[in-house]
Formats: sequence, C-alpha cells, structure tokens
Amino acid sequence: DAGVIQSPRHEVTEMGQEVTLRCKPISGHDYLFWYRQTMMRGLELLIYFNNNVPIDDSGMPEDRFSAKMPNASFSTLKIQPSEPRDSAVYFCASSWSGSNQPQHFGDGTRLSIL
Amino acid sequence: EDQVTQSPEALRLQEGESSSLNCSYTVSGLRGLFWYRQDPGKGPEFLFTLYSAGEEKEKERLKATLTKKESFLHITAPKPEDSATYLCAVDTSGTYKYIFGTGTRLKVLA
Repeated sequence: DAGVIQSPRHEVTEMGQEVTLRCKPISGHDYLFWYRQTMMRGLELLIYFNNNVPIDDSGMPEDRFSAKMPNASFSTLKIQPSEPRDSAVYFCASSWSGSNQPQHFGDGTRLSIL
Repeated sequence: EDQVTQSPEALRLQEGESSSLNCSYTVSGLRGLFWYRQDPGKGPEFLFTLYSAGEEKEKERLKATLTKKESFLHITAPKPEDSATYLCAVDTSGTYKYIFGTGTRLKVLA
C-alpha cells in the first residue's frame, strides 16, 4: 500500500508569497493531521480532520494559516502571506479511527521562506 | 500541563553496545504511548504502541517498555543502520492529539 504522499518535497519562496502544501492520506484512513517540525519546538500538531471535517485547529499559529480537506483523499495547508519564521518541515499524517491507532507520516515538505 | 521529556538528547554507541533511551511523561491520563524512528529527510516511522504499565513490545533489536511515569526503548547489540532519531509521543485523551518529545539522536559507530 502507498503511504502518505506529500508534495512538494521542497519549497523555497519569498516572504509574502502564498504557499500551498498538499497531502494524500493512506486510503481508508479517516483521520488526517498536519504537523510542523522545527529544531526549537520539535513536532507540533497544527490541525486535524476526521472524515474531512476539521476537529481541532488550536495549533494553527495564526490566521495566515488555513487547511482544507475537500475529500477523503486530499488535503491542503495554505500559508498566506508567508513569513521567514514559517520556515520548517511540515508533515501530514493519517490514521484509522479506533482506540490508539498509530499515525502514519509522510516524508514532509521542507519549506524555506526567504 | 502535559509534558513529554526524552533523554538523552544525543547518544553515540559502538556497534554491539546495548543501551536504553528514556521517555518520561507527566500527563493527566495516558491513553497510549508511541515510539517512532525518524531518519534524516524522512517522516517519523511507527515502531510501537504501549497502552498500560508493564506492557512490553519487541521488534528485532528494539524492545519498548512502559511504567506509570516513563517508557524505555532498549536497543540490544545495535548496528549502524539503527542510527536515527527516536521519538516518543503520548495520547492523553483519546482524541488523537499526540504530544511529542523532542527525540533522542542515536548514532551507532561501526
């Protein structure tokens, strides 16, 4: 089975530009998570969805960040406008529902905002 | 406040030199503890889930154990390919909101 697929793998853009990160979860998984990883703060949960519905977005740092899941096989995380402090690796993960099903991660998008 | 702490931050071992990594947690209620391995440029790869104190899980050279306050990842006779960052995470409420530790960077020298 294919794992979680993220694109692009790397993104370099200038401050103020809009950035869109994409994620295809594992087929059949009904939970989807967006994380950000930095050296200083480690892995932080930004938002998660259940059956395409956002459940908790308390980790989204600012209104510049938004996430959507239009269907079960696709999600986007958008930053507009981007700032240098948004530079990080962004991961998408998915899981089955049910008690303590592990989350499975994609290989991330390394984002650099100049 | 729920907190997960991993130690040491970094560990260098000679091939074959067994050791343990620690994940201590202060949480209101543990629903599950997860161990992941992360290689450079990759996402975390799931290793184990532990649910209750006294539980143990094994996979090749790795064994994870759980007490009421901490978890250990024991690495027996490690090989260079075991070099990676090992992350632990806890789920405190069953809501799938993991709290991750900052990881232990393991380097195994041939």
